[in-house]
Amino acid sequence: DTEVTQTPKHLVMGMTNKKSLKCEQHMGHRAMYWYKQKAKKPPELMFVYSYEKLSINESVPSRFSPECPNSSLLNLHLHALQPEDSALYLCASSLVSGQPQHFGDGTRLSIL
Amino acid sequence: GESVGLHLPTLSVQEGDNSIINCAYSNSASDYFIWYKQESGKGPQFIIDIRSNMDKRQGQRVTVLLNKTVKHLSLQIAATQPGDSAVYFCAELMDTGRRALTFGSGTRLQVQP
Repeated sequence: DTEVTQTPKHLVMGMTNKKSLKCEQHMGHRAMYWYKQKAKKPPELMFVYSYEKLSINESVPSRFSPECPNSSLLNLHLHALQPEDSALYLCASSLVSGQPQHFGDGTRLSIL
Repeated sequence: GESVGLHLPTLSVQEGDNSIINCAYSNSASDYFIWYKQESGKGPQFIIDIRSNMDKRQGQRVTVLLNKTVKHLSLQIAATQPGDSAVYFCAELMDTGRRALTFGSGTRLQVQP
């Protein structure tokens, strides 16, 4: 069982919908990450939060909006997504930035 | 940009044999490396890591070797079991500047019973 919990596990949404992905960890980690993973590809970094502040944005389109309400929670707000945004979205955390990352099992997102 | 890559996309071994998964990296500034295992429907799972001041590190049934001269990383799995079937990723991190992992392209390990 993973110590990083992601909800929902699966999400199907239309291109005009607004939805949010949630990630939670209670390991006291102060760095949290969002990755996008397409089939048969490695995870691609999207965002990094360090001490609840956004430290890296990998030029992600504005239809993806991250939020870190506190040190245990990380959200990814979705709006007006495109079919090519269908992927597995992984959340990870580490003690601090640069330490080994613990991954959740992801949210599989399908855009209709 | 620079990237981490793997030599073999798929590796098939017999149960009980030893497995070796290779990874080439090109960023000479990277000084920390991690191997992850990803099973179907799961997120990547940390296996073992190594810092650039070491050339070998052992865990339970796994060994990571680092050759900085040729920028090569390998993961050795002893007595491979069916439960080892997964995709394996190497990842690198620079200890300064951009403190985020860069993943290699992955190798699928298939263990034949």
